[in-house]
Amino acid sequence: DSGVTQTPKHLITATGQRVTLRCSPRSGDLSVYWYQQSLDQGLQFLIQYYNGEERAKGNILERFSAQQFPDLHSELNLSSLELGDSALYFCASSVALLGNTDTQYFGPGTRLTVL
Amino acid sequence: GENVEQHPSTLSVQEGDSAVIKCTYSDSASNYFPWYKQELGKRPQLIIDIRSNVGEKKDQRIAVTLNKTAKHFSLHITETQPEDSAVYFCAASRNFGNEKLTFGTGTRLTIIP
Repeated sequence: DSGVTQTPKHLITATGQRVTLRCSPRSGDLSVYWYQQSLDQGLQFLIQYYNGEERAKGNILERFSAQQFPDLHSELNLSSLELGDSALYFCASSVALLGNTDTQYFGPGTRLTVL
Repeated sequence: GENVEQHPSTLSVQEGDSAVIKCTYSDSASNYFPWYKQELGKRPQLIIDIRSNVGEKKDQRIAVTLNKTAKHFSLHITETQPEDSAVYFCAASRNFGNEKLTFGTGTRLTIIP
């Protein structure tokens, strides 16, 4: 158990719908990363938040958005869902003390199926 | 941006033998290289990592080597066991891991009893 929690574990929805994925980082971790894992694209970085602020963006679609709340949990919002959005979505967290090696610990993931 | 290539995509090894997985990165500013193990349907788990100021790191049966000049790093697993069967991902990051991870495409390792 990494200490990172994600809910829900599974999500099945229809095209055009909107869903919210939730992540709680390890206690004390300030940085949260979201990654998408699909069969054809592998593990891809979506977005990073640090202490409530967006720090970096990857190949995140405009239909996707995220935020990190004052209690440091994060939510990833996916809207106008398409079949191709079906994937495993992982959240990872890290301490983010600059100058030190920073290890990212992954949560169990949310498996999204769009029908 | 960073690009990480990983080879081979699949690897079958007799139990007790060694396994080697190789990765190449493109961004010379990358200075942190972790390896993750992922079992089917589970989360990626860190098994070993290395910083750019170190050439080799070992943890029991697992070792990682880094060649900064050639921009490649390798995972070595010795005395393989059935529980080593999984998908292994290499990754690269700038700022000693304080930035996004760019992953390789993964290696499916199968240990043959």
